[in-house]
Amino acid sequence: SQKIEQNSEALNIQEGKTATLTCNYTNYSPAYLQWYRQDPGRGPVFLLLIRENEKEKRKERLKVTFDTTLKQSLFHITASQPADSATYLCALDMWHTGTASKLTFGTGTRLQVTL
Amino acid sequence: DTGVSQNPRHKITKRGQNVTFRCDPISEHNRLYWYRQTLGQGPEFLTYFQNEAQLEKSRLLSDRFSAERPKGSFSTLEIQRTEQGDSAMYLCASSTGEPFVNQPQHFGDGTRLSIL
Repeated sequence: SQKIEQNSEALNIQEGKTATLTCNYTNYSPAYLQWYRQDPGRGPVFLLLIRENEKEKRKERLKVTFDTTLKQSLFHITASQPADSATYLCALDMWHTGTASKLTFGTGTRLQVTL
Repeated sequence: DTGVSQNPRHKITKRGQNVTFRCDPISEHNRLYWYRQTLGQGPEFLTYFQNEAQLEKSRLLSDRFSAERPKGSFSTLEIQRTEQGDSAMYLCASSTGEPFVNQPQHFGDGTRLSIL
């Protein structure tokens, strides 16, 4: 079965620095990979989607890379702010099961941005 | 865009009771998903509707769980004879999309179920 690994330890960085979060998977390369943000007590909020034939995607201060050879995605937040503090979830589609729209989520990485 | 709405936000019940949760997706979305999330974990897929058709159910969804989407709009998730292990956050999400095309999912804020 597909395993998704995200750093379970919290990532603490200083305001203004770039935060880099890692998502590794073990088996099937997804056709799509998505990143979500989740605040305590709230549902996940979609941030970015990257397709298997895309190397990089950007949106404002966010950047996602996707390396199917390494089976890894990196998520970057530049010029981080305390408001970026949240848990960030990586999610892969399950196309190999016949349902492309079904997502498998990692456990998430908690980001804490301090002043 | 009023977002995905879930009710109730919190449910506390005794073991063995039945509970029902409701999800109102974004109106133009034809896909609806249910997930379960426990503390420190990511959401786990439970089931998926394309319009009113339930297309897939996870093996996590025992026969005590049933979901419906009768008119292709709102959905309900019922848990019968609740057990301690059912305590979790139940999340609903919706999306647009063609078959086999991955789309961003829009989540509600969930129903937190606590079994006494």
